Amino acid sequence: DVQLVQSGAEVKKPGESLKISCKGSGYNFVNSGIGWVRQMPGKGLEWVAVIHPGDSETRYSPSFQGQVTISVDKSITTAYLQWRSLKASDTAIYYCARQGVAGLFDYWGQGTLVTVSS
Amino acid sequence: EIVLTQSPATLSLSPGERATLSCRASQSVSSYLAWYQQKPGQAPRLLIYDASNRATGIPARFSGFGSGTDFTLTIRRLEPEDFAVYYCQQRSNFLTFGGGTKVEIK
Repeated sequence: DVQLVQSGAEVKKPGESLKISCKGSGYNFVNSGIGWVRQMPGKGLEWVAVIHPGDSETRYSPSFQGQVTISVDKSITTAYLQWRSLKASDTAIYYCARQGVAGLFDYWGQGTLVTVSS
Repeated sequence: EIVLTQSPATLSLSPGERATLSCRASQSVSSYLAWYQQKPGQAPRLLIYDASNRATGIPARFSGFGSGTDFTLTIRRLEPEDFAVYYCQQRSNFLTFGGGTKVEIK
């Protein structure tokens, strides 16, 4: 079975750095893109970025370009989303998802809650 | 950036009724539109891709229609488990989501 398992909840202070992870299993990891989607408290879904593990090609939403970094380690079938300096407005649930059929998100991780508060 | 506008924001219906949700794009997305369902505390689930194709395991009561800028998701007869928030998403130019429609029990 396809599974995406994300790292646990994080509580950080403004200005701190953070890297959250998403481990894929049950499929050929290098053949499908992995994306990240943000959901702020009580709000809708926002696409953040995608990466293709096969060649590490990345695409960012214009809204998130320069704010986060997406990366992947094929050897351990894991994708990452990283911040250098967190802001309170980064507080949200972050989902990873596999790009499957038609380039859409067909399998999702359970979500990682990131809380940024002083 | 392509903006997706969903309407209505909230739809109040009873089990067994028909639900019709709308998604309008700020410019043509051809047929590159998907629909997702999200229940409280859960990750979204892909329902429909490329406007009218049901994803694996999605019941036949869910159907999608449209092309260009106007799309609809229809749930033929609402089951109790269908009360949730529904999002549309386009993949014509980058990826964007609509703001969502909440289908609630009347």
